[in-house]
Amino acid sequence: DAGVIQSPRHEVTEMGQEVTLRCKPISGHDYLFWYRQTMMRGLELLIYFNNNVPIDDSGMPEDRFSAKMPNASFSTLKIQPSEPRDSAVYFCASSSVGPNTEAFFGQGTRLTVV
Amino acid sequence: AQKITQTQPGMFVQEKEAVTLDCTYDTSDPSYGLFWYKQPSSGEMIFLIYQGSYDQQNATEGRYSLNFQKARKSANLVISASQLGDSAMYFCAMSLSGGSYIPTFGRGTSLIVHP
Repeated sequence: DAGVIQSPRHEVTEMGQEVTLRCKPISGHDYLFWYRQTMMRGLELLIYFNNNVPIDDSGMPEDRFSAKMPNASFSTLKIQPSEPRDSAVYFCASSSVGPNTEAFFGQGTRLTVV
Repeated sequence: AQKITQTQPGMFVQEKEAVTLDCTYDTSDPSYGLFWYKQPSSGEMIFLIYQGSYDQQNATEGRYSLNFQKARKSANLVISASQLGDSAMYFCAMSLSGGSYIPTFGRGTSLIVHP
């Protein structure tokens, strides 16, 4: 398996524009997580899915953020409209069920909103 | 609520020496997992080692070992024989059975290995 695949790796956009981040989890994994990493707040869990169903989106900062998982092999995180404070590295990760299963991370998307 | 604390924002070590990175956690859940990840300057998150709350022995993976002290709620990472390539951010994480095994991360420790 190629691991968790995220695209794009880098995104620069203007304030107010819509941004869509994409993720392909590892085949067979039941959980998919979206994290955001900033210097100020570290790694924050935004939302996670179990078997394609959103379970907890309490970490999503605002209504401008939305996430979907239409099938087991694809998820998106959308920001509309984007703001400069959304600039961060966004990670997608996936894992199997159970306490002793580590989360496998994608390479991350570095988002810059100017 | 679960909490992971890494008190060392930065650590320095001489090449070939051993280094310990601290991690303490707080939970009342009896079943949990503890993880360490490495994040080099390239940005990816690399899984290093896992320790289960019911494991009797400390986990080891090559040069990495986890010093698990359950009563003290600590899960320190020990890197033996440091190499220049070990320079990176290191994150401690915990997942709980009562929390659907969702990893929660500490703020990380920056390790710099000197030649």
